[in-house]
Amino acid sequence: QVQLKETGPGLVQPTQTLSITCTVSGFSLTSYYMQWVRQTPGKGLEWMGFIRSGGSTEYNSEFKSRLSISRDTSKNQVFLKMNSLKTEDTGVYYCAREGVKQPYFDYWGQGVMVTVSS
Amino acid sequence: DIRMTQSPASLSASLGETVNIECLASEDIYSDLAWYQQKPGKSPQLLIYNANSLQNGVPSRFSGSGSGTQYSLKINSLQSEDVATYFCQQYNNYPRTFGGGTKLELK
Repeated sequence: QVQLKETGPGLVQPTQTLSITCTVSGFSLTSYYMQWVRQTPGKGLEWMGFIRSGGSTEYNSEFKSRLSISRDTSKNQVFLKMNSLKTEDTGVYYCAREGVKQPYFDYWGQGVMVTVSS
Repeated sequence: DIRMTQSPASLSASLGETVNIECLASEDIYSDLAWYQQKPGKSPQLLIYNANSLQNGVPSRFSGSGSGTQYSLKINSLQSEDVATYFCQQYNNYPRTFGGGTKLELK
């Protein structure tokens, strides 16, 4: 069955870089778009960006200058990297699947809690 | 960016009651709207897409309606397992945007 699971550090220091991996099973990354969404106390659910089935990416301009999304299809993994972290980046980070012609998020990972603090 | 405004922010209802949650978009989103349910400590789960289509496996007591800028989620015969926060999301344009959520509790 379809599964998504995020892994990443629980704690990151301000100004440092956040790296999160989303490992998927039950479907191919070459057939679906993979999204990143975060949930913070200050702004609620925020769409961050995605990587298309073909490998190209789009980012929310709110994060564009410091966000990077990539993937390794051989390992069924999608990666999020965001630099210059601030305390306001504290929250839960989710990966989610979007169908190519079904532009809503039909499966979500469990999320990973990230705390930005020194 | 398209702004999504949900109301009410919180709601208390009794078992068996019918509940309505509203979502207002800042511009026409042509029914490109999804509703998600998020239970405490869990990730959001898709309930409704295209404003009124029920996702596979979602109980039929959930329904969505609306068009243009105004949408609603209806829960008939409220069950205890429906206690959750509900979010709307537009996918008519980028950036995808979410409503602020409606927290549903039992009275």
